[in-house]
Amino acid sequence: DGGITQSPKYLFRKEGQNVTLSCEQNLNHDAMYWYRQDPGQGLRLIYYSQIVNDFQKGDIAEGYSVSREKKESFPLTVTSAQKNPTAFYLCASSTIQAQKTQYFGPGTRLLVL
Amino acid sequence: QKEVEQNSGPLSVPEGAIASLNCTYSDRVSQSFFWYRQYSGKSPELIMSIYSNGDKEDGRFTAQLNKASQYVSLLIRDSQPSDSATYLCAVNRWDSGYALNFGKGTSLLVTP
Repeated sequence: DGGITQSPKYLFRKEGQNVTLSCEQNLNHDAMYWYRQDPGQGLRLIYYSQIVNDFQKGDIAEGYSVSREKKESFPLTVTSAQKNPTAFYLCASSTIQAQKTQYFGPGTRLLVL
Repeated sequence: QKEVEQNSGPLSVPEGAIASLNCTYSDRVSQSFFWYRQYSGKSPELIMSIYSNGDKEDGRFTAQLNKASQYVSLLIRDSQPSDSATYLCAVNRWDSGYALNFGKGTSLLVTP
């Protein structure tokens, strides 16, 4: 089955700890995105990447970092500099041709201990 | 920051009725528009995409786009209790790798 996988489903972070959220896709999509969703809010863009070894900051990149070493993978690290990390994190991917429809993974819920 | 606006609801309709969901956007250069359905605790699921002015139908769903008025809507015919969810309107951003700008969503409740 083609699709996007995210792991873990739930993640608990202690104060001062960096944590990494995994996102993998086998759709052969070039572009990948990370969004954050807070309760009752729309999704906000954290980082995006249109090609391997290149990525750009989105609207709320502070306290986050990413890498794009493989086309299939776009992990997100939530650093200790992110003071309010509790949220639902969503990874998406799309082609860079046509209308660029984005498809989402199942999400990771991050909670602070 | 370009805006996408939706009424938060909840919008309550009886089973079998037509549900009408509306969205306005501020960026006139936007070209691609999407409706996603999100069940509580789950990720968004694509329902419809629309790129040209007019109507686009897919089963019980019809998306309507009016670029002059910067308005996009979603009609759900013969609403079912399983349609109860939050519906997110999204618009492509040409300035951020075609990432999506999302509205905050409209909560739809279909009552039996």
